Formats: sequence, structure tokens, C-alpha cells
Amino acid sequence: SYELTQPPSVSVSPGQTASITCSGDKLEDKYICWYQQKSGQSPVLVIYQDSKRPSGIPERFSGSNSGNTATLTISGTQAMDEADYYCQAWDSNTAVFGGGTKLTVL
Amino acid sequence: QITLKESGPTLVKPTQTLTLTCTFSGFSLSTSGVGVGWIRQPPGKALEWLALIFWDDDKRYSPSLKSRLTITKDTSKNQVVLTMTNMDPVDTATYYCAHSRRGDYGDYFFDYWGQGTLVTVSS
Repeated sequence: SYELTQPPSVSVSPGQTASITCSGDKLEDKYICWYQQKSGQSPVLVIYQDSKRPSGIPERFSGSNSGNTATLTISGTQAMDEADYYCQAWDSNTAVFGGGTKLTVL
Repeated sequence: QITLKESGPTLVKPTQTLTLTCTFSGFSLSTSGVGVGWIRQPPGKALEWLALIFWDDDKRYSPSLKSRLTITKDTSKNQVVLTMTNMDPVDTATYYCAHSRRGDYGDYFFDYWGQGTLVTVSS
């Protein structure tokens, strides 16, 4: 079965750039979504089709996908961005989520 | 606006069948390119996709759980129902339903989520 691998945790200082990676075999051939889940809340879609932002998502969230790695980048990270982030892709008609990355803003 | 809400039992016994209902508003499941999916999350763990039903009644299931899952829709009631048989304590999780739509390249993503419902499996 297809797997998406994320680092368990990433730390960033306020105002700096956070990068969260998602790795999978030939990932560039798939479209990646990213979800943000704050503590005790439901997930929120922040990036779809590799790099598109849904309405209402701040411009500081961006995404890319190349080779075997997709990256979620948060520019000018704010305290409110502290959350778990999950990547997701489709493989053989199956939705696959990554294991999640806890972003700490300190 | 689009809203979804999950409902069902909070506690089930091992071997029982779980039936969850997703009641939604703000969209129609008869609209081309629209779907409703179920995703679960055990306490402190990652998201796990379970199933997705499309506007045309096409269905997709997680391969590892396919034998235990059934997803159906009632367009007139704006509801999607997920049943999971032979429940086990490892199935304890928050179960979410989510609106899905087709992107420009045929991909699907979950752009609106319900609040989730915690289901505990215990005797």
C-alpha cells in the first residue's frame, strides 16, 4: 500500500519560515492536499492540488511538489499556526494520509 | 454555507455493528463532482480515510477495511450513512464526515469537515 511519510515534529520561531515535508514514491505524479488540525478541532484544508489555497486561507501558506517530496511552507509563522499538519494524496482510488507533523511555534 | 454533522452511538460493544449518519446542508449530493467521505482519528493518532461516496453513487473504500464498511447516501434527506461491522476496541476513534469535491485535474479533496463524533468500543 502507498505510504506518505512526514517528520513527527517541526519547530519554528515566530516570524520565521516553517517547512513541513511529505515524502512518497513518485509523489510528483499525484496531487497533494494539506490539512491543519488545531488541538481539539476538526481538520481544515489549507492547500489543495499541490499549491492552491482555499478561500480564507492566509497567503503565508504555500505548497510545492517535486520528485518524491511535497512541502508545505508557512512564511512569517504566527503563534496561531501551531497545529498538527497532515498531507494527503490519492493512490489507486484510495485516499492516503501522512502520519502528521506537529508544528511548534516557540 | 456548507455544514456537516455526524451522529451515532458514543459507545458500542466489541463485535457489534456501528452505524454513523452524516447530515449535511449547503450542497446537494446529486451535483456532479461532489462526494462525502468518512475519516477517523484514534485518540492522539493520525487521520485515517475510510470511505467516499460520489454524486453518481460510485463508492471507494479503504482496502484494509473494505470488508467491514458500507457507505450509502439518501439524497432526499441530505444524509450519508457509514456502517462498520465487527467493531473492536482498536476502532475507538473520532469519526469525521467531510464534503469532497473534484478539482480541475480530477483529483478530490476534503474541503469541509464535520465536528466529529467520538466512538468508544468497550464491553
